[in-house]
Amino acid sequence: EIVLTQSPGTLSLSPGDRATLSCRASETVSTSFFAWFQQTPGQPPRLLISGTSTRAAGVPDRFSGSGSGTDFTLTIRRLEPEDFAVYFCQQYFRPPHTFGPGTKVEFK
Amino acid sequence: QVQLVQSGAEVRRPGASVRVSCKPFGYSFPAYGVAWVRQAPGQGLEWMGWISPYSGHTDYAHSLQDRLTLTTDTPTNTAYMELRSLRSDDTALYYCARVLVTGTTPPDIWGQGTLVTVSS
Repeated sequence: EIVLTQSPGTLSLSPGDRATLSCRASETVSTSFFAWFQQTPGQPPRLLISGTSTRAAGVPDRFSGSGSGTDFTLTIRRLEPEDFAVYFCQQYFRPPHTFGPGTKVEFK
Repeated sequence: QVQLVQSGAEVRRPGASVRVSCKPFGYSFPAYGVAWVRQAPGQGLEWMGWISPYSGHTDYAHSLQDRLTLTTDTPTNTAYMELRSLRSDDTALYYCARVLVTGTTPPDIWGQGTLVTVSS
């Protein structure tokens, strides 16, 4: 199965900062089949980005995704208070459609 | 409003089985697949598998394929997740979520989650 590794495990930042989250796959994943999710406490995950860089409906444009091959990145241009959450990457290129372990973006 | 509504919390003894239901509202059930994802307390997301109500095709996580069965009932527009031979480390919040009928999209609509507690 494709194993996803996320870094860093925790990102300590302030509102207005830029956040850069990384996800590395154990083998090549087609860019068409890579996604990012946001999860806040007590809520189910929320789809942010699919196909590496396509924002889901209603997702602000401060969120952007990029990458190819085995390395993918989620960038949050200017953190808003509601962006402090846990972020997961997922590949749906080949079953099992594995998730990364998550990156927590916390207040500095 | 497009949503998935799951059945309520369950408590089971080790070795027992559990079945969780998931019913979609606001869209055509056969037109989309249903993925199942679980989250142990304080942990990350674990993809369990998915099913196409249209074809019956399933894929399962390697670690669960011997104990997990996903099914759908088209007349009642309901998806089911059954996990057998439960262990304490199966205690988790279980989510169903919508994917394309081909399984080639990430989950875009999620249920509210069903807490399954395995304890003696």
